[in-house]
Amino acid sequence: AQTVTQSQPEMSVQEAETVTLSCTYDTSESNYYLFWYKQPPSRQMILVIRQEAYKQQNATENRFSVNFQKAAKSFSLKISDSQLGDTAMYFCAFVNTGTASKLTFGTGTRLQVTL
Amino acid sequence: EPEVTQTPSHQVTQMGQEVILRCVPISNHLYFYWYRQILGQKVEFLVSFYNNEISEKSEIFDDQFSVERPDGSNFTLKIRSTKLEDSAMYFCASSEDPWSEQFFGPGTRLTVL
Repeated sequence: AQTVTQSQPEMSVQEAETVTLSCTYDTSESNYYLFWYKQPPSRQMILVIRQEAYKQQNATENRFSVNFQKAAKSFSLKISDSQLGDTAMYFCAFVNTGTASKLTFGTGTRLQVTL
Repeated sequence: EPEVTQTPSHQVTQMGQEVILRCVPISNHLYFYWYRQILGQKVEFLVSFYNNEISEKSEIFDDQFSVERPDGSNFTLKIRSTKLEDSAMYFCASSEDPWSEQFFGPGTRLTVL
């Protein structure tokens, strides 16, 4: 069974600073995808970034980038130049390409961006 | 930009009553999902649906739950006899294929009294 672990329940960062959210996962599969979803107070789930496991290059999306370490089964999210609008719950998620495509989520990290 | 829509946004019901949560996935998507999030907890998978049948379901998705795609656009989740512990946010999602981004709807907050 796949598991996703987010060890930081809460984090805080000052505006314009950089913050890294941690995520580790466990799977026996070799082909899979990893995602970071953002959930603001509205509770809408918004995709932040996506990484294919077969790609060695780390995904980037504007101020958001990941550090994907396949051997260590680690998938951290770096947010540069943090903005107040980044305040949200962030969920790491995993989907295995070999079976039905359910997303397995971590428990989330609540990020607070302060002035 | 196409989006997943869900109705109602908030549903209040009495324990033991049946509820139907409705979703309209993105029109060219073929894979549909329901997830649940109890307040303050993580998002949990309930069921996936493809080609008019359930692909996979979690242990949460017991006989009280059912899904249906009654026409070409709607995707519904029915809870036959609601329990207090069914109170949660229910998210519908859809995707083009099994490993691409799942687009989430805004959710339906279900409150069982």
